[in-house]
Amino acid sequence: DSGVTQTPKHLITATGQRVTLRCSPRSGDLSVYWYQQSLDQGLQFLIQYYNGEERAKGNILERFSAQQFPDLHSELNLSSLELGDSALYFCASSAGQETQYFGPGTRLLVL
Amino acid sequence: AQSVTQPDIHITVSEGASLELRCNYSYGATPYLFWYVQSPGQGLQLLLKYFSGDTLVQGIKGFEAEFKRSQSSFNLRKPSVHWSDAAEYFCAVGAEYKLSFGAGTTVTVRA
Repeated sequence: DSGVTQTPKHLITATGQRVTLRCSPRSGDLSVYWYQQSLDQGLQFLIQYYNGEERAKGNILERFSAQQFPDLHSELNLSSLELGDSALYFCASSAGQETQYFGPGTRLLVL
Repeated sequence: AQSVTQPDIHITVSEGASLELRCNYSYGATPYLFWYVQSPGQGLQLLLKYFSGDTLVQGIKGFEAEFKRSQSSFNLRKPSVHWSDAAEYFCAVGAEYKLSFGAGTTVTVRA
């Protein structure tokens, strides 16, 4: 158990819908990262927050957004969902800029 | 930008035999290097990491990896594989606030 929690574990929704994925980092970690794992793209970095502020952005679509709240948990919002958004979404956390510890992931299926 | 290549998509090894997974990276400076393992339906578990110092690093579950700057490699090894080592293994480079992952190597262990 890494100490990073993600909810929900599974999510099934329809095209055009909006979903929110939630992540709670390890106790004391200020950084939260979001990654997408799909069969065709592999593991891709989406975005990083540090103590509530966006720090780095990767291959995140404009339809996707994230935020980190004062209690340090983070949410990833995915809107106008398409079939190709079906993937495993991971959250990771770290104390600084070093080792990232991953949560169990949220598996999203868009029908 | 950094990149990671894992040349072997799939490796089959007999239980009790040795295992070596290859990883080559591209990055201008000395990166942070990681190996993660993902069991079916599970999240990513950190096996080991290299930041600096001794180029041979020990990790969990009997794994070790060697950093070779001249070859831009960070290969993972295990002297004697157990059936529970069947999983997908990812090499990652940490730089610029994110991890860049290789495509992964799937390890199958035969009895």
